[in-house]
Amino acid sequence: DNQLTQSPSSLSASVGDTVTITCRASQTIYTSFNFNWYKHTPGQAPSLLIYAASTLRRGVPSRFSGSASGTNFSLTINSLQPDDFVHYYCQQTYSVPWTFGQGTKVDIK
Amino acid sequence: QVQLVQSGAEVKKPGASVKISCKASGYIFSSFYLHWVRQAPGHGLEWMGRINPKTGGTNYIEKFQGRVTMTRDTSLDTGYMELSGLTSDDTAVYYCAVPGVETVSEAFDSWGQGTVVAVSS
Repeated sequence: DNQLTQSPSSLSASVGDTVTITCRASQTIYTSFNFNWYKHTPGQAPSLLIYAASTLRRGVPSRFSGSASGTNFSLTINSLQPDDFVHYYCQQTYSVPWTFGQGTKVDIK
Repeated sequence: QVQLVQSGAEVKKPGASVKISCKASGYIFSSFYLHWVRQAPGHGLEWMGRINPKTGGTNYIEKFQGRVTMTRDTSLDTGYMELSGLTSDDTAVYYCAVPGVETVSEAFDSWGQGTVVAVSS
């Protein structure tokens, strides 16, 4: 299985801060098409933020961005807003089984 | 618009089975794989497997092999996930999800609302 190591597992930040979450794949993902980021608010279904590593889903604020470099993928949130203090997950769909990172909890400092 | 509506919460005893439904609307059901993802308390998201609604072909992760069955009824645009031999470790929120209906991708851009399954004696 292609394990995704997501870091940090949690972080504390303030409104207005910029944070970056990274995911490293245990096996090479040869196309960025197969890498995605989700936001998960407790009590709700997860919500897609970024697909194909760097494509912002329509309607998602532009303060979210994604990038890829080799087996490392990153999610950056600029100018954190109150709604952003939730969990984030990365996902690969390059190989079956599809896998998620273990998640990052972003909470208010 | 795309909607995935799941069946309601379930409480089961250890050893029992649970069958969750996921009713799709707003897109051509047979054209997109239907996936199942779960989240146990204090844990992250876990992909369980998928079904091809057109053929009925399935892929399951190894840990659920022999315990999970994903099926569909194309006349009802509904998918089902049945998990047997329940233990307390199966207490979780179960989601159905479909990739690529809105985005040209394999990302889950549509999710059901989740079904809580509690396993307790």
